[in-house]
Amino acid sequence: GENVEQHPSTLSVQEGDSAVIKCTYSDSASNYFPWYKQELGKRPQLIIDIRSNVGEKKDQRIAVTLNKTAKHFSLHITETQPEDSAVYFCAASILGNNYQLIWGAGTKLIIKP
Amino acid sequence: NAGVTQTPKFQVLKTGQSMTLQCAQDMNHNSMYWYRQDPGMGLRLIYYSASEGTTDKGEVPNGYNVSRLNKREFSLRLESAAPSQTSVYFCASSEPLYGGRAQRELFFGEGSRLTVL
Repeated sequence: GENVEQHPSTLSVQEGDSAVIKCTYSDSASNYFPWYKQELGKRPQLIIDIRSNVGEKKDQRIAVTLNKTAKHFSLHITETQPEDSAVYFCAASILGNNYQLIWGAGTKLIIKP
Repeated sequence: NAGVTQTPKFQVLKTGQSMTLQCAQDMNHNSMYWYRQDPGMGLRLIYYSASEGTTDKGEVPNGYNVSRLNKREFSLRLESAAPSQTSVYFCASSEPLYGGRAQRELFFGEGSRLTVL
């Protein structure tokens, strides 16, 4: 079955700098890769997702890149702000099968003022 | 429009006690899910219901049962709670009403923190 590994478990960056979180997956059939953000004590919320027919997707300060050959994908946050502090989860599945979503363990992002 | 509502938000149980976590969504979604979240382990699927009238096991179903009462409601029951079931439980639903996404974004409830002593 699918296995998703996420690194690092904790990331501390200076406000205004960039942050990169990386995930690797094992099942080459996976073709959908969402990223969820969970603020302290809150529910996870989808922030961006990518399908395997594209290599990169951007939405303002966040972007996700996908390398299908190497089976890894990354979340990039530029010009980090205090409100970016949260736990970020990556996941992988076959498109349309939410019940097959396999999640990474999460990355706690700390933005230092 | 409340989205996904879970109750209770907090619960403390003694080993062997039973309880039911309630979940309701008002987005007319077909699919509903129960996850547990433990430190350093991400989200793990307990059970899901692809549509009203169906339920299936997820990754970690042992010790739990579910009921899809109707399209809106999906409950999770612990028949005999164990300390290993201490966790934060999230209900989620999917299938947006207005399209725009081929994949079905998961909409989560606020979570239920359960402690089993």
